[in-house]
Amino acid sequence: NAGVTQTPKFQVLKTGQSMTLQCAQDMNHEYMSWYRQDPGMGLRLIHYSVGAGITDQGEVPNGYNVSRSTTEDFPLRLLSAAPSQTSVYFCASSRDRVSGANVLTFGAGSRLTVL
Amino acid sequence: AQSVTQPDIHITVSEGASLELRCNYSYGATPYLFWYVQSPGQGLQLLLKYFSGDTLVQGIKGFEAEFKRSQSSFNLRKPSVHWSDAAEYFCAVGARGANNLFFGTGTRLTVIP
Repeated sequence: NAGVTQTPKFQVLKTGQSMTLQCAQDMNHEYMSWYRQDPGMGLRLIHYSVGAGITDQGEVPNGYNVSRSTTEDFPLRLLSAAPSQTSVYFCASSRDRVSGANVLTFGAGSRLTVL
Repeated sequence: AQSVTQPDIHITVSEGASLELRCNYSYGATPYLFWYVQSPGQGLQLLLKYFSGDTLVQGIKGFEAEFKRSQSSFNLRKPSVHWSDAAEYFCAVGARGANNLFFGTGTRLTVIP
């Protein structure tokens, strides 16, 4: 099992550019989410999904879009990148949609720099 | 509102010494509590979790944590630290019935010979 796979691992963008961070899991997990990690701030939830076709906002959703057309994939889109979006992004998944008792499996992260 | 406080930003311990990392949470109901570890350049790995029952929980790599409801704490401990334990440690709280987690700001552990 590959688990949770994130691509790219590193990306440099210019302000105003758009890009998509990819996240794929092969564990048939219903729940998927995106977090950003910033120094001194821990991880903060951006968006999450409890199943295909269902997405919702987390703590810091502004500037990001998501969609969930399949169980496996949960891409994160930056429509117009800003320097404040320089961060390390983590995708995480869990087996059940709303159990809370299931452990999150994290990807290895994507480091994004916006100039 | 949920929140997690890890008051120690950086801790340095000698190899073989004991370790305690502090975590305090604020939550309206009985929470789910987690400790994750992040090695440099890596994702997060679960060390241990508390859902209910015995308030002292055992995890991987010789770690344990104790849930103290009266103090709203979930401190992580290890009796003897190894050099390979150097990493960043995150405490997190979750709600029953939801998978979203709230993370603390992390504690970076340095282990010296």
